Amino acid sequence: GAVVSQHPSWVICKSGTSVKIECRSLDFQATTMFWYRQFPKQSLMLMATSNEGSKATYEQGVEKDKFLINHASLTLSTLTVTSAHPEDSSFYICSAKTGEGNYGYTFGSGTRLTVV
Amino acid sequence: GQSLEQPSEVTAVEGAIVQINCTYQTSGFYGLSWYQQHDGGAPTFLSYNALDGLEETGRFSSFLSRSDSYGYLLLQELQMKDSASYFCADTGGFKTIFGAGTRLFVKA
Repeated sequence: GAVVSQHPSWVICKSGTSVKIECRSLDFQATTMFWYRQFPKQSLMLMATSNEGSKATYEQGVEKDKFLINHASLTLSTLTVTSAHPEDSSFYICSAKTGEGNYGYTFGSGTRLTVV
Repeated sequence: GQSLEQPSEVTAVEGAIVQINCTYQTSGFYGLSWYQQHDGGAPTFLSYNALDGLEETGRFSSFLSRSDSYGYLLLQELQMKDSASYFCADTGGFKTIFGAGTRLFVKA
């Protein structure tokens, strides 16, 4: 089946530095990629929708200058957390639509970000 | 806006049947999906209901009633490995909005 490869699976960084998370669609083209953030024992909150070759669409309350999204090709979308702070520590997950209809979404394996 | 309500926790014993309910208030509702997520892992797709009625996939079944804005996930013959969080989701046509999730604890 369709696979979305997400890297890194975990990362620890210092406050003030930037971290890039990559999501690649394997064996299919992902015109659209969704980025979620999940705090412990909470639901997945949609941060932004990235579209290949165009600007990402951010959800209300998400700082576009802090969470930079690039979707330069049909198989790669990246999320860069800039000037990270401890409150940015979270689980970040990407997903792409892979099936027919409105339910065929595949998720990446997630990235656990810890900012110290 | 869109919101999906589900119980925060459910506990059941191995071999039992458990039902996780989900009520939704959304505009432009397309269908109800269910995802399973183990701690530290990514969500995995379980089922989808576009039409009213029951969909069965092995030990898992999902139900939808559009007139009641309600659905549920039914897990039969519970196993320890079913201990996880379960999310209902509204696909909303273009993007998926998740409920808060239900943590299922399966006890021996």
